[in-house]
Amino acid sequence: GAVVSQHPSRVICKSGTSVKIECRSLDFQATTMFWYRQFPKQSLMLMATSNEGSKATYEQGVEKDKFLINHASLTLSTLTVTSAHPEDSSFYICSARDSLAGVGETQYFGPGTRLLVL
Amino acid sequence: SQKIEQNSEALNIQEGKTATLTCNYTNYSPAYLQWYRQDPGRGPVFLLLIRENEKEKRKERLKVTFDTTLKQSLFHITASQPADSATYLCALDDTGTASKLTFGTGTRLQVTL
Repeated sequence: GAVVSQHPSRVICKSGTSVKIECRSLDFQATTMFWYRQFPKQSLMLMATSNEGSKATYEQGVEKDKFLINHASLTLSTLTVTSAHPEDSSFYICSARDSLAGVGETQYFGPGTRLLVL
Repeated sequence: SQKIEQNSEALNIQEGKTATLTCNYTNYSPAYLQWYRQDPGRGPVFLLLIRENEKEKRKERLKVTFDTTLKQSLFHITASQPADSATYLCALDDTGTASKLTFGTGTRLQVTL
């Protein structure tokens, strides 16, 4: 099946620093990738939709200047948490849709990145 | 307001029995409904997708039903095994593209020997 990787799997940083998380589709091309955030015992919440070659679309309440998304190629999207604070500590998960898949086909999720801001 | 509700209480069943998980939704008209498995500290893994015009879908020991009148989906695991222990999430898309998914909070299933 389709594989999506994320790097790093876990990161600890100091408050005020920026953290970049990479999401790669390993065996398919993805014009669209999605970034989710999941707090403990809560559901996945969609943060933004990342479109290759264009600006990301952010969900209501998500600060686009704080969560910078770049989708520079058909296999790579990055999420940068700028000036991270402890409340940004969460589990960040990306997903991707195969560009060649038909309408209604599923997304493939990465393994997630655990961010802890001290 | 829109809601996707899954039983937040953990479901404990004995090995070999059938596990049935429920997903109820309000104020959605989903074209697709999907079920995912999530293990602790991991991303979700896709299990099944069912379309609005399908009543039932099966895959090995898994069965999903979709009742758009009741606004409910049931997810069944037959002959459950301890390895089936995980959190199961339902996700809806009402945009017609299966792209923008909204997830329920999930139900934790624990299968004991």
